[in-house]
Amino acid sequence: DAGITQSPRYKITETGRQVTLMCHQTWSHSYMFWYRQDLGHGLRLIYYSAAADITDKGEVPDGYVVSRSKTENFPLTLESATRSQTSVYFCASSEYPGAADGYTFGSGTRLTVV
Amino acid sequence: SQQGEEDPQALSIQEGENATMNCSYKTSINNLQWYRQNSGRGLVHLILIRSNEREKHSGRLRVTLDTSKKSSSLLITASRAADTASYFCATDDRVGGGFKTIFGAGTRLFVKA
Repeated sequence: DAGITQSPRYKITETGRQVTLMCHQTWSHSYMFWYRQDLGHGLRLIYYSAAADITDKGEVPDGYVVSRSKTENFPLTLESATRSQTSVYFCASSEYPGAADGYTFGSGTRLTVV
Repeated sequence: SQQGEEDPQALSIQEGENATMNCSYKTSINNLQWYRQNSGRGLVHLILIRSNEREKHSGRLRVTLDTSKKSSSLLITASRAADTASYFCATDDRVGGGFKTIFGAGTRLFVKA
């Protein structure tokens, strides 16, 4: 099915552990984004990618690492998870910022760091 | 920093009434978008309005943009219980030479049947 899928849907991890959130899109969109959503903060951009092998920081990149070796995949890694990284993480894709049909979002990953 | 800020934070109306949500932003924009998020789900794109447009319609949705006041409004006419969701505005922001979309904190709409 065409679309954007995130995995896992739910994840509980311990402080200090490395965890990777996966994002896969079938639109062949150039741009991909990672946002985190916390109560009272709306969505905050963590990292984005304009194309394979091109990534850039967003508002809140500290503690996160991304890579994009293939256009369709954009994994987000928390190198050493902290409780403050407990959040809902959304991946999104777009042909380009400002495209008429906007961003396509995944269903999110709810991450809890204990 | 957040570019778009929605107002009100929460809105409760009866089914059949109109719902109006507002968004203010701080810097010049190329376009402004509105998204809907149902509880526990991802965001869904509703409509995009470009900086040279003043009004746009899509079904029961009407969006206006006033670049002189740096504000936009989303009107949902004849609301339904299924419209219950959070609504976000998003604006493009240029940061460090990049081009990204920044979301506001959202308006929570509750439509009572």
